[in-house]
Amino acid sequence: ETGVTQTPRHLVMGMTNKKSLKCEQHLGHNAMYWYKQSAKKPLELMFVYNFKEQTENNSVPSRFSPECPNSSHLFLHLHTLQPEDSALYLCASSQVMTSNEQYFGPGTRLTVT
Amino acid sequence: AQSVSQHNHHVILSEAASLELGCNYSYGGTVNLFWYVQYPGQHLQLLLKYFSGDPLVKGIKGFEAEFIKSKFSFNLRKPSVQWSDTAEYFCAVNAPPGVGGSQGNLIFGKGTKLSVKP
Repeated sequence: ETGVTQTPRHLVMGMTNKKSLKCEQHLGHNAMYWYKQSAKKPLELMFVYNFKEQTENNSVPSRFSPECPNSSHLFLHLHTLQPEDSALYLCASSQVMTSNEQYFGPGTRLTVT
Repeated sequence: AQSVSQHNHHVILSEAASLELGCNYSYGGTVNLFWYVQYPGQHLQLLLKYFSGDPLVKGIKGFEAEFIKSKFSFNLRKPSVQWSDTAEYFCAVNAPPGVGGSQGNLIFGKGTKLSVKP
């Protein structure tokens, strides 16, 4: 059991659709992250939230919009995506101001058609 | 800026062979080092970590890694691999939060896919 859950696990959407990815952590952490994992590329950090405040936006296009209503939940709202956005989207959590050992969810496999 | 290099994209071994996966990082200051593993269809899991102290770190499932500061390396080793070790392995590094203005974000390598033949 990972302690970090993500839904849905798989998502297929058209370029004009709007969808949201959800992440929930049950570890009492206060930092949450979105990563993009594409084939043959390093994990790309997208967004970081510490204590519900966004502290990093790694030059992510505006068609990705994060939301962190509390320290246990993180959303990634998607709209007008491109086929190259197809990837595995991973959520992680950690305790701020420690070693930053991150715990990952299983990911959402996104396919944009 | 920090970066992490993993030398091998895909390693194929037979069961009982010894394993060493290379990882080098570029950052001159104090670092925390991690190896994560992703089994097929599963989430990323922490294999082992180094923060300070003994540079030889032992992790789960018989894995170990050695931090060699002079070489900026943190290679992963296992004396005898099993078919169940087939997975993708990721090296990651960060400067501790608050050190030199670091946010403590992890920087990952591209990963090394390990295939173990039964």
